[in-house]
Amino acid sequence: KAGVTQTPRYLIKTRGQQVTLSCSPISGHRSVSWYQQTPGQGLQFLFEYFSETQRNKGNFPGRFSGRQFSNSRSEMNVSTLELGDSALYLCASSSTGRNTEAFFGQGTRLTVV
Amino acid sequence: QKEVEQNSGPLSVPEGAIASLNCTYSDRVSQSFFWYRQYSGKSPELIMSIYSNGDKEDGRFTAQLNKASQYVSLLIRDSQPSDSATYLCAVRNDKVIFGPGTSLSVIP
Repeated sequence: KAGVTQTPRYLIKTRGQQVTLSCSPISGHRSVSWYQQTPGQGLQFLFEYFSETQRNKGNFPGRFSGRQFSNSRSEMNVSTLELGDSALYLCASSSTGRNTEAFFGQGTRLTVV
Repeated sequence: QKEVEQNSGPLSVPEGAIASLNCTYSDRVSQSFFWYRQYSGKSPELIMSIYSNGDKEDGRFTAQLNKASQYVSLLIRDSQPSDSATYLCAVRNDKVIFGPGTSLSVIP
């Protein structure tokens, strides 16, 4: 059974640009959560999608957005990139999201220059 | 008060010893608790999940939950150098919140 797949693995962008990251969950999983990980802030929750609906949202500015498709694949978008957006972006999938175990992808390392 | 707190590291233990990792959480209605291991440069890997008060054992790992004290712990018996990593405690209420992590170093 394939794991969680995130693409691309690495990205370098310039300030002001926008970026789209993709996450394909484990087959059969309908919940996808996104996290930002930085050395100073640790793992910060961005948002969670379940059956194409955003179920929860963390405390990030509106420049961070996401969506989920009918096949449960999810994308997150960051517009008007800032240097501080440089981080490892992780997605995690779970079967239903509630009280179930979540499994992480390998992450996308975003560097903003 | 942070939502999920973990004992500050780094924690160093000799090979073969028991490593004890602690976590406290602030939201009393939390129902699900998880321990993840993260090696440097890698993504978090799920080790244990626990939902009820008491102990749950899986190989060398034992998770302990005390909801009244809002406390979760992870014991690693017979610690190995390969256990050297950062251990993340995660708590779910309406969303999953991670603690800052505890860095564990097992000395051969």
